[in-house]
Amino acid sequence: AQSVTQLGSHVSVSEGALVLLRCNYSSSVPPYLFWYVQYPNQGLQLLLKYTSAATLVKGINGFEAEFKKSETSFHLTKPSAHMSDAAEYFCAVTIYGGSQGNLIFGKGTKLSVKP
Amino acid sequence: DAMVIQNPRYQVTQFGKPVTLSCSQTLNHNVMYWYQQKSSQAPKLLFHYYDKDFNNEADTPDNFQSRRPNTSFCFLDIRSPGLGDAAMYLCATSRDQSNYRSYNEQFFGPGTRLTVL
Repeated sequence: AQSVTQLGSHVSVSEGALVLLRCNYSSSVPPYLFWYVQYPNQGLQLLLKYTSAATLVKGINGFEAEFKKSETSFHLTKPSAHMSDAAEYFCAVTIYGGSQGNLIFGKGTKLSVKP
Repeated sequence: DAMVIQNPRYQVTQFGKPVTLSCSQTLNHNVMYWYQQKSSQAPKLLFHYYDKDFNNEADTPDNFQSRRPNTSFCFLDIRSPGLGDAAMYLCATSRDQSNYRSYNEQFFGPGTRLTVL
């Protein structure tokens, strides 16, 4: 079975500082990994995805994530935080053939950005 | 633009009064999902349709039902809403890629926020 662990339910950074949101996964087969962002009272928007091609994945809004198999990690980073990045971020995993694409989500990390 | 649409965005109902939430898609995807997301929690899959085949998660309460009259539309019916059913309900779609040995990428709608009084 697959699982995702997001370390830190709340992360606070200053505007302009590095953003680092941690995600570790568990999967017995090669995973597909996703980061979603959710603004208040809105749906989930895909930030980026790892699909077994390049291990460093670039997404929207200046975010990127690196797939590290040896560490079973897929941490999300952004060099310089903006106020507009304040939101909740979810890491998710799925596998090929996994029950018609069911996503397994982490518990989410709420990012606050201080002026 | 191809998209997933949910109506209404905000729904208020009374305790025990049946309510229906709507999802439509212009992506022509064959899989549609319903998630429940409570405050500060991850989305929880309730059920999904693979074409017309209904797949219920084992722990989804009987109070929750779904209908998919055609490819484009899917409805979530809550027969007797309780206070604990207040949540954001998310609809998502995907095109099944199992024949291509690939993953199903899910596309989410904006959600319906349900309040139960």
